[in-house]
Amino acid sequence: GIQVEQSPPDLILQEGANSTLRCNFSDSVNNLQWFHQNPWGQLINLFYIPSGTKQNGRLSATTVATERYSLLYISSSQTTDSGVYFCAVFLYNFNKFYFGSGTKLNVKP
Amino acid sequence: GAGVSQSPSNKVTEKGKDVELRCDPISGHTALYWYRQSLGQGLEFLIYFQGNSAPDKSGLPSDRFSAERTGGSVSTLTIQRTQQEDSAVYLCASSNRNRGGNGYTFGSGTRLTVV
Repeated sequence: GIQVEQSPPDLILQEGANSTLRCNFSDSVNNLQWFHQNPWGQLINLFYIPSGTKQNGRLSATTVATERYSLLYISSSQTTDSGVYFCAVFLYNFNKFYFGSGTKLNVKP
Repeated sequence: GAGVSQSPSNKVTEKGKDVELRCDPISGHTALYWYRQSLGQGLEFLIYFQGNSAPDKSGLPSDRFSAERTGGSVSTLTIQRTQQEDSAVYLCASSNRNRGGNGYTFGSGTRLTVV
């Protein structure tokens, strides 16, 4: 298998603040996705980003595959950003995603 | 359909009973995955279906767990003789390419509570 580590495990922000979430992985991967699990348990795909940088509104993500990490940036955070953010890496050899343990974000008004 | 549909959304069952959880993937998606998320934990892989190939069952925690996928579409996850440790959210995901090449789309999950 592969180890996927996310940091920080917990994060409290004041509305309007920016933050960076990190995902480290222990081996080369074929794909990587960032998900947001909202307080109702729904798992929403944010980015499919095996390499490079992508942006979607206030969110952006960067994956440096050669250095085995990915970053998720949240700018001007809103209370609706609260929830758990998961990083998941995919390995062709195993045909499955391996999930990190998540970063629990709480944005306070 | 427009998304991955799972039913029921919530299920409370008595210890020892059997349960069936259903997943209806996005139309045309050939790959289907089941994951489990225990309270406060990450996602644990259970089983993977790809087309007509034999499924990858390596993540099933015990022989009380089984899954099938009929006609390459709908999948059913069955848990026999449920135990309290089976309580979790069961999530289904599908992908439109072999090996999740374009990423997964997850359903909203079934929250199973064994009392």
